Amino acid sequence: GAGVSQTPSNKVTEKGKYVELRCDPISGHTALYWYRQSLGQGPEFLIYFQGTGAADDSGLPNDRFFAVRPEGSVSTLKIQRTERGDSAVYLCASSLAGGGTDTQYFGPGTRLTVL
Amino acid sequence: AQSVTQLGSHVSVSEGALVLLRCNYSSSVPPYLFWYVQYPNQGLQLLLKYTSAATLVKGINGFEAEFKKSETSFHLTKPSAHMSDAAEYFCAVKDGGYNKLIFGAGTRLAVHP
Repeated sequence: GAGVSQTPSNKVTEKGKYVELRCDPISGHTALYWYRQSLGQGPEFLIYFQGTGAADDSGLPNDRFFAVRPEGSVSTLKIQRTERGDSAVYLCASSLAGGGTDTQYFGPGTRLTVL
Repeated sequence: AQSVTQLGSHVSVSEGALVLLRCNYSSSVPPYLFWYVQYPNQGLQLLLKYTSAATLVKGINGFEAEFKKSETSFHLTKPSAHMSDAAEYFCAVKDGGYNKLIFGAGTRLAVHP
């Protein structure tokens, strides 16, 4: 079946601009996660959705970052007033229900470059 | 708070040699542990996971890992490396709420002829 998809695969923007990154999870997965991976580092957690609600947004670095999942499927990560330090690969993952033994399936990521 | 340490950011082995990638974790609760592999320009793929059943876990592509509570370790091994194993490997632990993954910094595995 189809895996997690993310669009765009690459996004180049200028400092101060607004960007949206989209994630399509595996059909039927209620849990959705966003991570950020900087060069040479492991992914870092940003936010976790269970259904339509953000169950844990403790990883969002500041109020320029926001994410939504209005219908419990597709999610959009929104970054306002982008800064050069936001440049990274943004990864989305989904899992069946959340929880300890649940496997998170990752998408290929969106590479964001802020000039 | 949970954390993961991967010893060795780069590991190089000969084709056919043993692969050993080290992972140590800290966790205040019984951990759920994962190994993911990332090939160039691809997403993370699950290799295997420990979920408190058998301490020796077998995964895909001939990899396995052993959970050792006394050593707080979850090292990844493969008896004989293939060229196709060259990739970056990440160890991860589920947080106390059992949702978000906490990743190590990764180990890049190079396999040479």
